Amino acid sequence: EAQVTQNPRYLITVTGKKLTVTCSQNMNHEYMSWYRQDPGLGLRQIYYSMNVEVTDKGDVPEGYKVSRKEKRNFPLILESPSPNQTSLYFCASSQFTGAWEQFFGPGTRLTVL
Amino acid sequence: TQLLEQSPQFLSIQEGENLTVYCNSSSVFSSLQWYRQEPGEGPVLLVTVVTGGEVKKLKRLTFQFGDARKDSSLHITAAQPGDTGLYLCAGGAMEYGNKLVFGAGTILRVKS
Repeated sequence: EAQVTQNPRYLITVTGKKLTVTCSQNMNHEYMSWYRQDPGLGLRQIYYSMNVEVTDKGDVPEGYKVSRKEKRNFPLILESPSPNQTSLYFCASSQFTGAWEQFFGPGTRLTVL
Repeated sequence: TQLLEQSPQFLSIQEGENLTVYCNSSSVFSSLQWYRQEPGEGPVLLVTVVTGGEVKKLKRLTFQFGDARKDSSLHITAAQPGDTGLYLCAGGAMEYGNKLVFGAGTILRVKS
């Protein structure tokens, strides 16, 4: 089954404690992306990757890091989480067709205390 | 300021009613997509429109891309409780590079 998986689905942590949210896709897609979703703001892109070892900033990259060492995996790293990073996070992948149709993971709800 | 403005923000209707959701921008988009998101899940793509004036139908859902490719609408005929969810429009444009921009969404609730 074609899918994007994220782990964990739910995470409660404290300020400053480094964490990683994993993302994996099995569709051999070139393009992967991380979004955060906040009420009234819609989905905002954090980082994206056009291919292995190629990453670039989205609209809200501050406080986040990513890496793309393998085509299927695109982890999101919060080196020192803060309460304003409490949000719902989605990983997505896309075949680089130009129409940018995204396949989304199930989401990770993060709470930073 | 949202690059894609969606209206209305909230819509609560009775089963069987018709409704239209709008997605507007001052920018020209090369393509525009509509997604539906249910609680606890990620958005799921409904349709992509790429040609100005294009109309696509998906059962009771009709999607239209404006002639100037700056706006789009989603019309649902005879809404059902299963249509309840968050509807998001998203667009790709040269001026935004390799990024897809999303509207804030329309929350639809269909009561039985």
